[in-house]
Amino acid sequence: LAKTTQPISMDSYEGQEVNITCSHNNIATNDYITWYQQFPSQGPRFIIQGYKTKVTNEVASLFIPADRKSSTLSLPRVSLSDTAVYYCLVGEVESNTGKLIFGQGTTLQVKP
Amino acid sequence: GAVVSQHPSWVICKSGTSVKIECRSLDFQATTMFWYRQFPKQSLMLMATSNEGSKATYEQGVEKDKFLINHASLTLSTLTVTSAHPEDSSFYICSARTKSYGYTFGSGTRLTVV
Repeated sequence: LAKTTQPISMDSYEGQEVNITCSHNNIATNDYITWYQQFPSQGPRFIIQGYKTKVTNEVASLFIPADRKSSTLSLPRVSLSDTAVYYCLVGEVESNTGKLIFGQGTTLQVKP
Repeated sequence: GAVVSQHPSWVICKSGTSVKIECRSLDFQATTMFWYRQFPKQSLMLMATSNEGSKATYEQGVEKDKFLINHASLTLSTLTVTSAHPEDSSFYICSARTKSYGYTFGSGTRLTVV
């Protein structure tokens, strides 16, 4: 499983766009990149998943450069309720082990 | 979408007693479930993989005799913390994987051992 590196914490203000970058230099050909969000005392919640280029859904965008050694989660116009820990995970969607190994995550603090 | 229900959401128990945490897949069958624990300000740590009808696979360093996992049906996995001690106090989270919805997590169980 590819190791990921994210900033430990980030601060932002309401209404701003937030970009969280994740490094995964050892990503394998079959690996996908998935981001989860976790609020205190809750289980993680799926945000977005991608393999290459750009993926967008109703809550976020995921930008993946051609070499796939990094990815950027973009949250448009954050609100106070976006304060949470964000995890970047890299792995095969249909791997035999099926295990999800979490890295340290990025704690995003949105201020008024 | 796929929903995983976890109960109880919090539990307080006395040192030396056992506590059971349930994890149910509500609208899908989960042949494999995963159990994590999370200490304050830390990331999730995978404890074990629970397979329906067979023994669980534990991660290195996790005591299988202390954390008993039973996956007797396609919709239910249980984690029993036996002879709990204060150091077992943590946030326990289960997860299941589906082909259609990827990984879905339960809401977690806050265990406090006093």
